[in-house]
Amino acid sequence: QTVVTQEPSLSVSPGGTVTLTCALSSGSVSTSDYPSWYQQTPGQAPRTLIYNTNLRSSGVPHRFSGSILGNKAALTITGAQADDESAYYCALYMGSGISVFGGGTKVTVL
Amino acid sequence: QVQLVESGGGVVQPGRSLRISCVASGFSFSDYDMHWVRQAPGKGLEWVASLWHDGGNEQYVDFAKGRFTISRDNSKNTLYLHMNSLRAEDTAVYYCARAGMVTIQYFQYWGQGTLVTVSS
Repeated sequence: QTVVTQEPSLSVSPGGTVTLTCALSSGSVSTSDYPSWYQQTPGQAPRTLIYNTNLRSSGVPHRFSGSILGNKAALTITGAQADDESAYYCALYMGSGISVFGGGTKVTVL
Repeated sequence: QVQLVESGGGVVQPGRSLRISCVASGFSFSDYDMHWVRQAPGKGLEWVASLWHDGGNEQYVDFAKGRFTISRDNSKNTLYLHMNSLRAEDTAVYYCARAGMVTIQYFQYWGQGTLVTVSS
């Protein structure tokens, strides 16, 4: 069974930089897994941030960037703002229309 | 603009069935693959099922195989999820999501979700 792992929680100071990661139980994450990232605040539907590893969805601020760091997918927030305080989920594509989400990272801006 | 509106959620007894729907607008529905994703209370997102734009290639997460059926009616711009033998652990907000076009391997747009509560 494929498990995707994210940090449960991270904190960042306003204006600071934080990097969230997304790991695959079966090995390294690569661009062929089409990593994507989603932001969700309580009571709201998810919002798409990043797809295909590093492409920003329409309207997403440039302070959000995606990459592969070592053997993991990564989402970096540079110049964090108060309204970036949210849960962030990565998803990896397993092929044939199947995707797996990570458990999510709760980011606190303080 | 793209809109996905889910409906059909509610309270259902364990072991019963329920069909939820997602009406799409603002794009050519028949051109896009579609997904269902759920979120149990206080928990993370969980991919449930997907269906190609033409109704082919049904795919399910393990817990949904044999109990859930994803389908679509492209003439009505509507995606469905029929759920049988519901269990308490199926209690969740169910979101429909549209795949991308050039890059299909992600969830480009999301509905607001419909809450399914399985309880006696």
